[in-house]
Amino acid sequence: QKEVEQNSGPLSVPEGAIASLNCTYSDRGSQSFFWYRQYSGKSPELIMFIYSNGDKEDGRFTAQLNKASQYVSLLIRDSQPSDSATYLCALSSGSARQLTFGSGTQLTVLP
Amino acid sequence: NAGVTQTPKFQVLKTGQSMTLQCAQDMNHNSMYWYRQDPGMGLRLIYYSASEGTTDKGEVPNGYNVSRLNKREFSLRLESAAPSQTSVYFCASSARTSGGSTGELFFGEGSRLTVL
Repeated sequence: QKEVEQNSGPLSVPEGAIASLNCTYSDRGSQSFFWYRQYSGKSPELIMFIYSNGDKEDGRFTAQLNKASQYVSLLIRDSQPSDSATYLCALSSGSARQLTFGSGTQLTVLP
Repeated sequence: NAGVTQTPKFQVLKTGQSMTLQCAQDMNHNSMYWYRQDPGMGLRLIYYSASEGTTDKGEVPNGYNVSRLNKREFSLRLESAAPSQTSVYFCASSARTSGGSTGELFFGEGSRLTVL
C-alpha cells in the first residue's frame, strides 16, 4: 500500500463552487502535513500546512486534519479558473528527514 | 533572493552519456533533496542530504549519485544515462520544524531531461 493516497482525478468543479481534495496516509506517526499546488510545467509551491487535528483556514483555503482516521483534506472555496492545477499532499513523520508525496489530484475549475 | 536555483533547465542526452545537475540554495537551509517527477507518479525522492556532509538514498536512487559540495550546493550525477531516466528533476531545500521534522520544501524550477 502506497504511504500517501490521493484520487488522481481529474476533478472538475464549476467556478464559484467548493473543491474538495482528499488524502489518506498509512503512517500513524505522521506529524506534519502539507498541500502543494503545481501548475502545468511549473514547480510545486506550498499553499497550506497543518500539524494539529481540526481545521486551518487561510483565505479561500481550508486544510482539515483527522489523525484518528488518517486523512487530510483541502477545501477551496469560491473556486476560480486560476485554481486549476495539480494538488499534491505530502507528510513527514517524527524525525523523518524527508517528505513523502502523494501522486497528486488534478483539479479543473470550469468558467 | 533567488531561493533554489538548478541548472540546466533542459538537457538531451544519448544513452550512456553522463551529466550533472547542479542545485544551489541561498536560504541557509540544512536539508536538500533531489526528486524526479514522472506522469502519474508524483514526486519520488532520489537522494537527500539532511545536513552538510551527509547524504542518504531515497525511494529511487539506482543510477544516480549525489554530492553535497557545501551547505548551499547539492549536485545530482547520472553516470550512464538510460531512457528510463527521462524525467523532470526537481531540487528542493528545507529547514526543520520546531518539532524536529522536515518543514516546508522550497523547489527549484525543475530540469527536464530526455535520454534518447
